[in-house]
Amino acid sequence: NAGVTQTPKFRILKIGQSMTLQCAQDMNHNYMYWYRQDPGMGLKLIYYSVGAGITDKGEVPNGYNVSRSTTEDFPLRLELAAPSQTSVYFCASSYSGAMNTEAFFGQGTRLTVV
Amino acid sequence: AQSVTQLGSHVSVSEGALVLLRCNYSSSVPPYLFWYVQYPNQGLQLLLKYTTGATLVKGINGFEAEFKKSETSFHLTKPSAHMSDAAEYFCAVSGYTGNQFYFGTGTSLTVIP
Repeated sequence: NAGVTQTPKFRILKIGQSMTLQCAQDMNHNYMYWYRQDPGMGLKLIYYSVGAGITDKGEVPNGYNVSRSTTEDFPLRLELAAPSQTSVYFCASSYSGAMNTEAFFGQGTRLTVV
Repeated sequence: AQSVTQLGSHVSVSEGALVLLRCNYSSSVPPYLFWYVQYPNQGLQLLLKYTTGATLVKGINGFEAEFKKSETSFHLTKPSAHMSDAAEYFCAVSGYTGNQFYFGTGTSLTVIP
């Protein structure tokens, strides 16, 4: 199984540009998440989804948008890139929202905004 | 609110020595705790988790962690470090609704030959 697949792995954006980070999972998980990882800060939740058509904000949603049209895909959209969005982005999924359920992570997208 | 604190952003051990990575949690409900490992340029991989039951949890690659409610701790240990253990380690606690995890700031483990 591929698990959670993220594309691209690396990207450089200019300020004001927009892009979509792709995330797909083949485990039929209902729950999907987007986190950003900044040095010394751990991971912060941007958005999550509990199923197709249902999304909600996490701790740091400003500057991002998401959609969930299928169970498999959960793209993250940056509309007007800013230097503060330079980070490593991780997509994750889990088979339920129960508190004892672990998440499975993709390999990340390293984004630099210049 | 749920949170975890990892003491020590960098830990260095000699190959064959004991690994001890510290994690303390804050939770107003019984916590569900996780340790993840991140190898360079990789995503996070689950090492082990504590849900309920036995307080000593065994994970992959010889790691284990002990849940101590009285100390609000969930420290990660491995009796003998291997070079391949060099990585970033994250402690996490599940949120109330289970819809997210609260991660610590991570501990970078260096293994010295």
